[in-house]
Amino acid sequence: EPEVTQTPSHQVTQMGQEVILRCVPISNHLYFYWYRQILGQKVEFLVSFYNNEISEKSEIFDDQFSVERPDGSNFTLKIRSTKLEDSAMYFCASTRWGGADSPLHFGNGTRLTVT
Amino acid sequence: AQRVTQPEKLLSVFKGAPVELKCNYSYSGSPELFWYVQYSRQRLQLLLRHISRESIKGFTADLNKGETSFHLKKPFAQEEDSAMYYCALRSSGAGSYQLTFGKGTKLSVIP
Repeated sequence: EPEVTQTPSHQVTQMGQEVILRCVPISNHLYFYWYRQILGQKVEFLVSFYNNEISEKSEIFDDQFSVERPDGSNFTLKIRSTKLEDSAMYFCASTRWGGADSPLHFGNGTRLTVT
Repeated sequence: AQRVTQPEKLLSVFKGAPVELKCNYSYSGSPELFWYVQYSRQRLQLLLRHISRESIKGFTADLNKGETSFHLKKPFAQEEDSAMYYCALRSSGAGSYQLTFGKGTKLSVIP
């Protein structure tokens, strides 16, 4: 069964540095997402992306965050200047369609540690 | 604003005992509700969704709009059911999957 893949599995960075988290969604999927989970807290929606543009974003997704689909397969999340509170597990996800009959497929996540 | 509440952080049951994982939601419209499961060292995966009214791995969940609940049930717990379970809500009519998750319940099935 095809899977969403994320790299790296663990990223350590210093406060103020830029970081790029990478995802390869399932190949025939059209909608892409980033979620995050701070340790001990809820999984939170960050952003959805469709047709090469952001379709929805949460309050968490401020100017420090950006997403890009640089080619036909990768989907990236960039954090421009990381803060300690950005430390979390970041999950990429994709769906074939936007409706509820098209399940959301998650990647294994990237654990970001900001020191 | 929509909210999902899972009141139990941890639920321990003996193998063969019934399981009920509680989920309550707050949403003014007509919600779409899901249960996701995360087994140890694995990814979050969809367990079931209310619109399909299916039973997966012996689990069922019924949407009760009067009580705004979507509790997950299984009559006889198995050891392999031990995992984190997340209830999630999607606002109706949304063109994408902006899910609101609960904090999750860790189910531990004691052999």
